[in-house]
Amino acid sequence: GAVVSQHPSWVICKSGTSVKIECRSLDFQATTMFWYRQFPKQSLMLMATSNEGSKATYEQGVEKDKFLINHASLTLSTLTVTSAHPEDSSFYICSASSSGRVETQYFGPGTRLTVL
Amino acid sequence: AQSVSQHNHHVILSEAASLELGCNYSYGGTVNLFWYVQYPGQHLQLLLKYFSGDPLVKGIKGFEAEFIKSKFSFNLRKPSVQWSDTAEYFCAVKNSGGYQKVTFGTGTKLQVIP
Repeated sequence: GAVVSQHPSWVICKSGTSVKIECRSLDFQATTMFWYRQFPKQSLMLMATSNEGSKATYEQGVEKDKFLINHASLTLSTLTVTSAHPEDSSFYICSASSSGRVETQYFGPGTRLTVL
Repeated sequence: AQSVSQHNHHVILSEAASLELGCNYSYGGTVNLFWYVQYPGQHLQLLLKYFSGDPLVKGIKGFEAEFIKSKFSFNLRKPSVQWSDTAEYFCAVKNSGGYQKVTFGTGTKLQVIP
């Protein structure tokens, strides 16, 4: 099946620093990538949808200046959490779709971010 | 706005027991429905999905789900669980229009005891 990787798998950073998370589709070209956030004991919440070569579409309530998404190639999307604060600590999961449709998304393993 | 409720947060079953996990959604329009599974240490993966047609959907590993429109439900079933079914199960809904947002439930952790 399709494989999606994320790097790093976990990261600890100080408050005020920026953290970049990479999402790669390893064996297919991802027209569209989706970024989710999951708080403990809560469901995955879609943060944004990114199509290769264009600006990401953010969900309501997600700060685009804080969560910078870049999807510069068909195999790589990055999420940068800028000026991270402890409330940004969460599990960030990406998914990728070759068809451009969320119905055929393949998920990455997630990245655990802890902001001290 | 669409929402999904999974009433069972943690289910413990013995092997060979039958399984039914509840899922109810809230959305007034036509929907696409999904069940995802996350085995320990692994990625979320699609178990089965309903788009249209036969409301009884069969997925991988012997799982099935039934879409009951009048009850806004999409319960997941398996007649006989195995230890390897131990995982977290997420129900999800998407409106069948163009907007690409899947709304997930909070998940149900299934523990199967040998």
